Amino acid sequence: DTGVSQNPRHKITKRGQNVTFRCDPISEHNRLYWYRQTLGQGPEFLTYFQNEAQLEKSRLLSDRFSAERPKGSFSTLEIQRTEQGDSAMYLCASSPSRGQGNEQYFGPGTRLTVT
Amino acid sequence: SQKIEQNSEALNIQEGKTATLTCNYTNYSPAYLQWYRQDPGRGPVFLLLIRENEKEKRKERLKVTFDTTLKQSLFHITASQPADSATYLCALDSGGSYIPTFGRGTSLIVHP
Repeated sequence: DTGVSQNPRHKITKRGQNVTFRCDPISEHNRLYWYRQTLGQGPEFLTYFQNEAQLEKSRLLSDRFSAERPKGSFSTLEIQRTEQGDSAMYLCASSPSRGQGNEQYFGPGTRLTVT
Repeated sequence: SQKIEQNSEALNIQEGKTATLTCNYTNYSPAYLQWYRQDPGRGPVFLLLIRENEKEKRKERLKVTFDTTLKQSLFHITASQPADSATYLCALDSGGSYIPTFGRGTSLIVHP
């Protein structure tokens, strides 16, 4: 399967703990995105990379959120000192450089529950 | 501020009928408008993209229209089937920033 993969699929953590999620995009896609989705809402943009460069990070929800894509391949999203309000689905997507128009190919998501 | 509106109420239709979903936007000049399907607990799946200079796009039983004067896109599924039941999201992209903005989606329920 050459789709976008995310790990873990589910994460339960206690408030105050740090969590890290991984995303492996479609190999030939150079743009990689992170979104957060809560129930009844559409995906909310957090940040994106073009190759290894993080081109937009001002919409990360707070300074507790950070993302990396060190070699332009997989990416990680870290949330430090988690809060109950961080509970959500975290989606990763990749987009080809020569697509129709920045269409997004999503992974299955990581469901985070903060207790 | 930019706003995308999709009907929050679920659309219920009978199998075989045409489903029509609406996406309205304000304070936005999108270069592309995209439609996605999302099933519960899964990531969205890209369906169709239409550019600002295109009026209509078709793919199998799907048809999308884009009216930049009305600031509206319509998404049609003809000969609907129960398997088409899902949430359908529209997303707008200005083309320059490479950052799509998603609507909240509309739930479609096709009854057999």
